[in-house]
Amino acid sequence: DTAVSQTPKYLVTQMGNDKSIKCEQNLGHDTMYWYKQDSKKFLKIMFSYNNKELIINETVPNRFSPKSPDKAHLNLHINSLELGDSAVYFCASSPLRAGELFFGEGSRLTVL
Amino acid sequence: GENVEQHPSTLSVQEGDSAVIKCTYSDSASNYFPWYKQELGKGPQLIIDIRSNVGEKKDQRIAVTLNKTAKHFSLHITETQPEDSAVYFCAASRSFQKLVFGTGTRLLVSP
Repeated sequence: DTAVSQTPKYLVTQMGNDKSIKCEQNLGHDTMYWYKQDSKKFLKIMFSYNNKELIINETVPNRFSPKSPDKAHLNLHINSLELGDSAVYFCASSPLRAGELFFGEGSRLTVL
Repeated sequence: GENVEQHPSTLSVQEGDSAVIKCTYSDSASNYFPWYKQELGKGPQLIIDIRSNVGEKKDQRIAVTLNKTAKHFSLHITETQPEDSAVYFCAASRSFQKLVFGTGTRLLVSP
């Protein structure tokens, strides 16, 4: 039973389109995250939610909008996609005030 | 904010050799230092972590050392096996807030 699941796994789209990536965790964790991994494998935090409340918002363009309908779900919507948005996006979760992050398998976004 | 540097970017060893990956961090208030392993096509997975009140931690073939004064920490893998081949990331955070990752080390273990 997958702990942190993301859909879709692969996403190929044209510049200017809008797309969403969904994430669900069944670990009962309070905190969820979105990380971006670029082609050089750099992993950078984008957002963090704790019990549906945004607690970390890095310097991410406002074309990226996370939404957490409940503490088990954290979705990422991206408007007006640009070439530089091509990357692997990882969802992760962790218990409150605990270190270990549990990552999903990633969603590879390719913008043409 | 925190900045984590990681070296080397690639590391090739023969099976059975030891591998060492080093990281330095900038924020003296950081107190949690995990290491993650990322296999091809997968998300990173925690393999070991250390807190700032401990200088060394070991788990079977892997160990992590921390030098708070110098602000650096290292991952040591002994008796490497081909299945250890992966990308390894160090990270640092202050009280579990915002984990900042290093740039990654691609480890290749040749049989």
